[in-house]
Amino acid sequence: GDQVEQSPSALSLHEGTGSALRCNFTTTMRAVQWFRKNSRGSLINLFYLASGTKENGRLKSAFDSKERYSTLHIRDAQLEDSGTYFCAAEWYTNAYKVIFGKGTHLHVLP
Amino acid sequence: EAAVTQSPRSKVAVTGGKVTLSCHQTNNHDYMYWYRQDTGHGLRLIHYSYVADSTEKGDIPDGYKASRPSQENFSLILELASLSQTAVYFCASSDEDRDTEVFFGKGTRLTVV
Repeated sequence: GDQVEQSPSALSLHEGTGSALRCNFTTTMRAVQWFRKNSRGSLINLFYLASGTKENGRLKSAFDSKERYSTLHIRDAQLEDSGTYFCAAEWYTNAYKVIFGKGTHLHVLP
Repeated sequence: EAAVTQSPRSKVAVTGGKVTLSCHQTNNHDYMYWYRQDTGHGLRLIHYSYVADSTEKGDIPDGYKASRPSQENFSLILELASLSQTAVYFCASSDEDRDTEVFFGKGTRLTVV
C-alpha cells in the first residue's frame, strides 16, 4: 500500500476560515516537506521539518516521526491560497528515498 | 493506475560526461516536468513540456537540456555533468498545468564524481 497517505484529496474553504491537511506514514520517516504547486508547475517549498513544528504567516506545520504523521494548518484562508499542496517524506533504508503524497486540491471561495 | 517511470533509478557519472535521464508516462498527460531535489531542500523545476517536440525552461535550467520526442517520453540531458548536479531528480506528469493531480516518478539518484 501507499506509504504516504495524504488527506483530504480536495478541500473547499471560505475566505477567512481555516483547516488542516494531513499526511500519514506507514513507516518512520526522517523528515517531511510540504509544497505548493503553482500554475506553472513549480513546487514552492513551504516547510521542511525533521521534527516539531514550524510556522510561517498563516501556515503552520507539524511533524511527529514517532506517531507517523504530519499536518499543514492554514488559517484565515485567502483566495490566492488556492492550489495543490503536497507532502513528501524522506527516509533511509539502504538508500535515501523520497515519496510524495497524492496532493490536496484546495479551493478558497469568496 | 497512472504511472510515471524513470530510468535509471540511480547513476554515477564522471565530471564532464554526458548523462541522460529518461521518463516515461502512461497517463496520456500533456504536461511533463523535471525537478531536482537536494537533501534538505525543496524541489526545483528544471524544464517542463506541455506538448511533444516542445520544451520550456523552468526555474533552474542552466546546465540542463530537455527533450520531448513524444507525449509519453521526456528526457533530461546533462551535456557536461558537474559535481553540483549531484541530486535526486524527479519526473512528473499532469493532465494540464492547473490544479490537477500530479503524478511523480520514484526519482533518479545521480552522483557526479
